[in-house]
Amino acid sequence: GAVVSQHPSRVICKSGTSVKIECRSLDFQATTMFWYRQFPKQSLMLMATSNEGSKATYEQGVEKDKFLINHASLTLSTLTVTSAHPEDSSFYICSARDPRLGGYNEQFFGPGTRLTVL
Amino acid sequence: DQQVKQNSPSLSVQEGRISILNCDYTNSMFDYFLWYKKYPAEGPTFLISISSIKDKNEDGRFTVFLNKSAKHLSLHIVPSQPGDSAVYFCAAYYGGSQGNLIFGKGTKLSVKP
Repeated sequence: GAVVSQHPSRVICKSGTSVKIECRSLDFQATTMFWYRQFPKQSLMLMATSNEGSKATYEQGVEKDKFLINHASLTLSTLTVTSAHPEDSSFYICSARDPRLGGYNEQFFGPGTRLTVL
Repeated sequence: DQQVKQNSPSLSVQEGRISILNCDYTNSMFDYFLWYKKYPAEGPTFLISISSIKDKNEDGRFTVFLNKSAKHLSLHIVPSQPGDSAVYFCAAYYGGSQGNLIFGKGTKLSVKP
């Protein structure tokens, strides 16, 4: 299957700082990537859909100015958590669909980033 | 309103026996369903899927059954192995093949030797 990587895998930061998380599709070009957040023992909640070359589409309740998404190339999307606070601590996961597969197919997930805000 | 429900947060099964994980959904517009397996601190990995035009899909030890009238699907693992211990997420496509995935809360499966 297609490979999606994330960096960093784990980050600890102080409250008020900004953190950038990278998501890369390694062996395919992803026109669309997705950003999820998972709290302990909870489902993966879609935060936003990242479209290459255009603005991201955010889910209801997700603050656009707090979670900045940039999809500058077909293989890279970034999520920046601005002015992070302890309540932003979570597991952030990105995913992408391989357009070569067409039709219904699975999303390929990155390994996730554990963000801890002190 | 949770559209994809996994009502059992955990399941414990003896090695070699069958594991049955259940998933219910409320939105009749869902037409493609997937199961993902997830280990702690890792991203989910795709396991098996089923289209709404089918009622069964099998891949090795894994079989997914779909009952559209009941809006229910299940994942059967036979025989269960200790390496199957993980959290299993049920997901459904919303908005067609280019739409978004809606996930359930997951069921933690523990397979005991």
